Amino acid sequence: SQQGEEDPQALSIQEGENATMNCSYKTSINNLQWYRQNSGRGLVHLILIRSNEREKHSGRLRVTLDTSKKSSSLLITASRAADTASYFCATAGNTGGFKTIFGAGTRLFVKA
Amino acid sequence: NAGVTQTPKFRVLKTGQSMTLLCAQDMNHEYMYWYRQDPGMGLRLIHYSVGEGTTAKGEVPDGYNVSRLKKQNFLLGLESAAPSQTSVYFCASSKYTGELFFGEGSRLTVL
Repeated sequence: SQQGEEDPQALSIQEGENATMNCSYKTSINNLQWYRQNSGRGLVHLILIRSNEREKHSGRLRVTLDTSKKSSSLLITASRAADTASYFCATAGNTGGFKTIFGAGTRLFVKA
Repeated sequence: NAGVTQTPKFRVLKTGQSMTLLCAQDMNHEYMYWYRQDPGMGLRLIHYSVGEGTTAKGEVPDGYNVSRLKKQNFLLGLESAAPSQTSVYFCASSKYTGELFFGEGSRLTVL
């Protein structure tokens, strides 16, 4: 079973609105990462947050991590049509060889 | 800078045939991974390697074998392809447990 589960599975918003995606995971982690995938392409790394961090920012992206609830959220502010993509969270554990496991992803559609 | 390169990008196989996917990275990364992506399933980890000469099983290893004879290369083999292995395969590499760099994917169809 996959470690991370994203919510919602799909999200449709207007350009300029904020988009929030959530991720829950099951076991202890070393870090949590968010990736973006445009249709038919490989994944691109967006941001990494370590288990001892609670919040991180990168441009229009804000990521929070709550290790007590085993959950994370990705906020994209002032969304643009070019933000349309699938977004995945991934967790790197601190046991079992540090493998990185992905969730099923959230499909974001930003309407112009 | 090539990054992570996967070959071939497309392949059609008949049930029972074998093939090897090649992944090459030029970033001197220690860790390499093979994932498969099916519609609605996200990425599932097949096998991974934490260094030259090492491999380990991921979430869905059955039906696949891997080898990491050189640090820069990670090979994924299908000995006897099945229709259930029709998927998009992604290779990735990372320095350690940090940012993963992905290839553009290899689309495999098994008839």
